[in-house]
Parts: sequence; C-alpha cells; structure tokens
Amino acid sequence: GQNIDQPTEMTATEGAIVQINCTYQTSGFNGLFWYQQHAGEAPTFLSYNVLDGLEEKGRFSSFLSRSKGYSYLLLKELQMKDSASYLCAEVTGANNLFFGTGTRLTVIP
Amino acid sequence: DSGVTQTPKHLITATGQRVTLRCSPRSGDLSVYWYQQSLDQGLQFLIHYYNGEERAKGNILERFSAQQFPDLHSELNLSSLELGDSALYFCASSVTGTSSYNEQFFGPGTRLTVL
Repeated sequence: GQNIDQPTEMTATEGAIVQINCTYQTSGFNGLFWYQQHAGEAPTFLSYNVLDGLEEKGRFSSFLSRSKGYSYLLLKELQMKDSASYLCAEVTGANNLFFGTGTRLTVIP
Repeated sequence: DSGVTQTPKHLITATGQRVTLRCSPRSGDLSVYWYQQSLDQGLQFLIHYYNGEERAKGNILERFSAQQFPDLHSELNLSSLELGDSALYFCASSVTGTSSYNEQFFGPGTRLTVL
C-alpha cells in the first residue's frame, strides 16, 4: 500500500461542488480515511471507506474503488469555512495511517 | 475538542538541544501515535504505542525516541535538534489500533521552532 497521490491545490466557488481525488497502491489495502485540516490546526475525521461504493454524510461524501486504488471526497454546497487541506490516508498492514500530502482547497466567493 | 491534550503548545529552542513533548490520550484510548508535519508537508507517521508497548515505527530518526507510561500518556523526546526538526508535532489516540477501522483523534499539536 501507500504511495498516495492527491492534487496539491484546488479552487472552487462558494455554493458549488468539488471532487478531490486520491489514488493509492492496492496491495495490502485495509481501508481509507479522509481528514480535514485547517491551517495550523489538528486534523479532524471526515470519513472512512473499506468497501466499494459511496458513503454519504451530509454535505460530504466519500467514494472508494478498491480494484482501481481510487477514492474521492465530494463536497457539496461549498462554504467559505470549507477552505482547508483535505488529507487522504490509507490504513497500512499494521493498522497505522499513512497520509498523503493533502489537497489545499480554497473556496472563493 | 478531541479530548487529546498536548503540551507545550509552542516550543522554541536552539540547535543541539533536547526537548520533550507530552501527550495525554482520550479517556479509554489505548493507542498513541506521533506525527511530524513540516511546512507544507503531509503528516509523517513517527511511532505508535499500544498499552505501553511500541507497536510500529515509521520515519522516526534515531535522535528521536518515545515512550508510553502506565497511565497511557506518552512523551516524544527529540535530541541533538537540527533546524530541519522545526515542525508541528501531533499526537493522536485511538481506542485500540488493532483493527483496520482505526479512527484517530488528534491533539492540537506542539509547534517546535529550532533556531
């Protein structure tokens, strides 16, 4: 597993929908987390996927395709407070989290 | 508030020095993890302790060490500090750390500046 790849930066408009993609190596996959991190603050849990499909939680949804080593986080009805970094993390064989470098999302009016 | 506490919040020290960062996990959590986050970098996993025992090591330098005490709090010791060690150090805790559903709760971090 690991070798997580995410776009470095994205910009989207308030009220719009944005999709943040994440790819990872499929060997030894045990699950995938998404965390949100505002600058200088602690990461906070958003979602967890271990089976294929879409998990919806309010304005945020996360999708997983294990065969493709692919996940995305979908944010709807964007708000200014959604400006943050979004971290994709794979669960390793030792049940530890291996984080990607994160995607910095900027929401503009 | 995640329930994980870290002290100190900020630390400024000089190269060559040694510092200790402290973490108290959420009540009932047995696992503690340490991460380093340098400027514009992702979270780098350093080390994981479960119920007092080291469970996994990540990219932790030999100059760094950690331990988890019987009351489950943990300390990260950084020695012979270099400029490049300046970073945010996060502690996280989880209930077990022994299953793949391993939601980790992060503390507020300690910002270390090495001058």
